[in-house]
Amino acid sequence: EPEVTQTPSHQVTQMGQEVILRCVPISNHLYFYWYRQILGQKVEFLVSFYNNEISEKSEIFDDQFSVERPDGSNFTLKIRSTKLEDSAMYFCASSTPGGLKTQYFGPGTRLLVL
Amino acid sequence: AQSVTQLDSHVSVSEGTPVLLRCNYSSSYSPSLFWYVQHPNKGLQLLLKYTSAATLVKGINGFEAEFKKSETSFHLTKPSAHMSDAAEYFCVVSVDYGGATNKLIFGTGTLLAVQP
Repeated sequence: EPEVTQTPSHQVTQMGQEVILRCVPISNHLYFYWYRQILGQKVEFLVSFYNNEISEKSEIFDDQFSVERPDGSNFTLKIRSTKLEDSAMYFCASSTPGGLKTQYFGPGTRLLVL
Repeated sequence: AQSVTQLDSHVSVSEGTPVLLRCNYSSSYSPSLFWYVQHPNKGLQLLLKYTSAATLVKGINGFEAEFKKSETSFHLTKPSAHMSDAAEYFCVVSVDYGGATNKLIFGTGTLLAVQP
């Protein structure tokens, strides 16, 4: 069964450093998403992406964040200058066209900013 | 605005006994609702989804959920718990403004413990 994959599974970085989180969505899916879950808190929507542009973004998704689909298979989330409060589990998801747009999630990348 | 409330942060059951995980939703229109499960150190797996085609929805691993509009509830049940059901369960509502994408609003999660 096709799955969403994410790399790395864990990332430790210093505050102020740039990180890139990578995702490979399910191959026939057209819509892509990033969510995050800070330890002990809810899973929160960050951004959705379709047709090579951002479809919707939350207030969390400020200028420090960017997304792109560089090569037709990977979908990346970049954090330009990480802060301590960016420490979280980051989930990528993808969905097919259609009414319900059911989202399928990857296993997550745990980011720790020191 | 759409939201979901999971009424229990922790539920503990004995193996072989029924499971009930409670969820209430708030939505200004007919919602799309989901239950996802997260096993330790794993990703979010879709258990089941409500599409408005039927109020009783069957999912994987013997779970089902019933949509009750009058009670604004979407509780998750399973007749007989198994040790492998121990995980965190999320009730989720989809927000769709009619554009290309939607976004999911998650509940706070219910941690299910299954005792032998």
